[in-house]
Amino acid sequence: DAKTTQPPSMDCAEGRAANLPCNHSTISGNEYVYWYRQIHSQGPQYIIHGLKNNETNEMASLIITEDRKSSTLILPHATLRDTAVYYCIVRVRERKSSGDKLTFGTGTRLAVRP
Amino acid sequence: EAGVAQSPRYKIIEKRQSVAFWCNPISGHATLYWYQQILGQGPKLLIQFQNNGVVDDSQLPKDRFSAERLKGVDSTLKIQPAKLEDSAVYLCASSLDETDQFFGPGTRLTVL
Repeated sequence: DAKTTQPPSMDCAEGRAANLPCNHSTISGNEYVYWYRQIHSQGPQYIIHGLKNNETNEMASLIITEDRKSSTLILPHATLRDTAVYYCIVRVRERKSSGDKLTFGTGTRLAVRP
Repeated sequence: EAGVAQSPRYKIIEKRQSVAFWCNPISGHATLYWYQQILGQGPKLLIQFQNNGVVDDSQLPKDRFSAERLKGVDSTLKIQPAKLEDSAVYLCASSLDETDQFFGPGTRLTVL
């Protein structure tokens, strides 16, 4: 079972910031927060990940609360191409033979409107 | 850099028939994953390979599903015989060091 809780759907206006919340109240100290998105008819695409500090890359920013029980993915200027299902996942990030699992929930369906 | 390749993109079969999917991971990626994604759900891991060895197949329905990665590069996933509930998108992903996974476009299977 997924260890995260996300709203099933959200929308935002094109050009505005999209803030996608995620609750992960049972996160362990060695688990990272990962975000993937899946555009219609495509495979999931990695967006960003973080442990406890806020992170930013060319796609998005990730804000993790101090207690690490929740986080927010921020798309600063949403475009129509950002319409997708966004998955928040917590996982260990270690090199080991059994690997670390990506356990997907149902995600948040973000609709960006013109 | 070329991404993960999968074929076919779409397949329609009747129940009790057999079907096979092919995946070519990103060059140099030792770890390969197969996921099943049923409509409206997130992807679910079926099997994970490290080079040509199976690391995790705990969620693979072994009575009808099989997968192999003989030379540690390409992989095939087979279903025999297919059931109606196998209708889904089958996603292949690969990773360099078992940390960040890169997904292919998937194969959409419809079982009639």
